[in-house]
Amino acid sequence: EAGVAQSPRYKIIEKRQSVAFWCNPISGHATLYWYQQILGQGPKLLIQFQNNGVVDDSQLPKDRFSAERLKGVDSTLKIQPAKLEDSAVYLCASSFGGVGGETQYFGPGTRLLVL
Amino acid sequence: LAKTTQPISMDSYEGQEVNITCSHNNIATNDYITWYQQFPSQGPRFIIQGYKTKVTNEVASLFIPADRKSSTLSLPRVSLSDTAVYYCLVALNYGGATNKLIFGTGTLLAVQP
Repeated sequence: EAGVAQSPRYKIIEKRQSVAFWCNPISGHATLYWYQQILGQGPKLLIQFQNNGVVDDSQLPKDRFSAERLKGVDSTLKIQPAKLEDSAVYLCASSFGGVGGETQYFGPGTRLLVL
Repeated sequence: LAKTTQPISMDSYEGQEVNITCSHNNIATNDYITWYQQFPSQGPRFIIQGYKTKVTNEVASLFIPADRKSSTLSLPRVSLSDTAVYYCLVALNYGGATNKLIFGTGTLLAVQP
């Protein structure tokens, strides 16, 4: 079974530029998560989708971050404009249902460096 | 503010049993407690999950007291390859109907020969 795919694996941009990350979840998984992991910290949930609807985006900085999952499969996370403090690893995960703390399967992450 | 806390680091030797505890004082009533392992430059990997009492699988055990305000991951006979960061993941209730998925602060386990 293929795992969660993410691209790119690495990205270096200058502050105020925009960047987009892509995630392809495990086939058949209804729920998709985007996390931000700053060096030395645990992952922080940015947004959770169930199919193409948003379940929780309370920690997403909506003035600069946006995410979509148009057909309930792939998802993109965008940052515009980027700030220095956005330097982190962005992790995508998926789960079969998403109810009650279901097991999440993580991709390898995209490492973003904002200069 | 509700949160989950773990020891920052632990040291062990090969063959020993290691117990890592996570405190989560505002855990949501109906959600599971899940533990993940993370190696450098990789995403977290599922280890074990439970709701209450004790759960055991081929790699670990999970102990959850009746009040569910903490959980303990037990790794029997660790090896060098178990050196990693371990996170608990819980759904915390911040009041009302909304639960938030929160990762613990993470525990770096260093296993020495």
